[in-house]
Amino acid sequence: DTAVSQTPKYLVTQMGNDKSIKCEQNLGHDTMYWYKQDSKKFLKIMFSYNNKELIINETVPNRFSPKSPDKAHLNLHINSLELGDSAVYFCASSQGSARYYGYTFGSGTRLTVV
Amino acid sequence: AQSVTQPDIHITVSEGASLELRCNYSYGATPYLFWYVQSPGQGLQLLLKYFSGDTLVQGIKGFEAEFKRSQSSFNLRKPSVHWSDAAEYFCAVGASNAGNMLTFGGGTRLMVKP
Repeated sequence: DTAVSQTPKYLVTQMGNDKSIKCEQNLGHDTMYWYKQDSKKFLKIMFSYNNKELIINETVPNRFSPKSPDKAHLNLHINSLELGDSAVYFCASSQGSARYYGYTFGSGTRLTVV
Repeated sequence: AQSVTQPDIHITVSEGASLELRCNYSYGATPYLFWYVQSPGQGLQLLLKYFSGDTLVQGIKGFEAEFKRSQSSFNLRKPSVHWSDAAEYFCAVGASNAGNMLTFGGGTRLMVKP
């Protein structure tokens, strides 16, 4: 059983489109995250939800909107896609404090905007 | 704010040789430190973590890391590298004043020569 699963794995879309990436975890963790990995492999946190409540919202364009229908799911919706949004997006989860236990990552969604 | 530096972008070692990947952190109090590995096209997998106790920590796949407060370092080591260790390695730090957020270094790409 996959612990943190993301769909789709690959997403190719045109500029200006709206797209969503879904994430689900079956670990019973109470906190979920979205990270963006750019072409140089740099990982930057975007959002964090704890029990469906937004707790971290880094400086990202408001075209990005996370939604957490329950604590096992955290989806990322992106409006009006731009070329610079091309990246790999990782979902992750943690139980309790991530600084003690670290994250469990999904396998990533490679988004290509053309 | 905490930060992590991985000074080596690329490292190439011969199979069977020893390995050390460097990680330096910046944080005022005791940090919570992690090493993750990312194989091509995959998510990040936790190798090991440190937050207290013995400064030499053992991880999976034969890796170990040593926390040196005086040098603000948490270097990853392996005595004998296998070809399957070729991957991207990330050091991360969690801080008590940063909630559940982990901050990642820029990564080190390890290549293994036969």
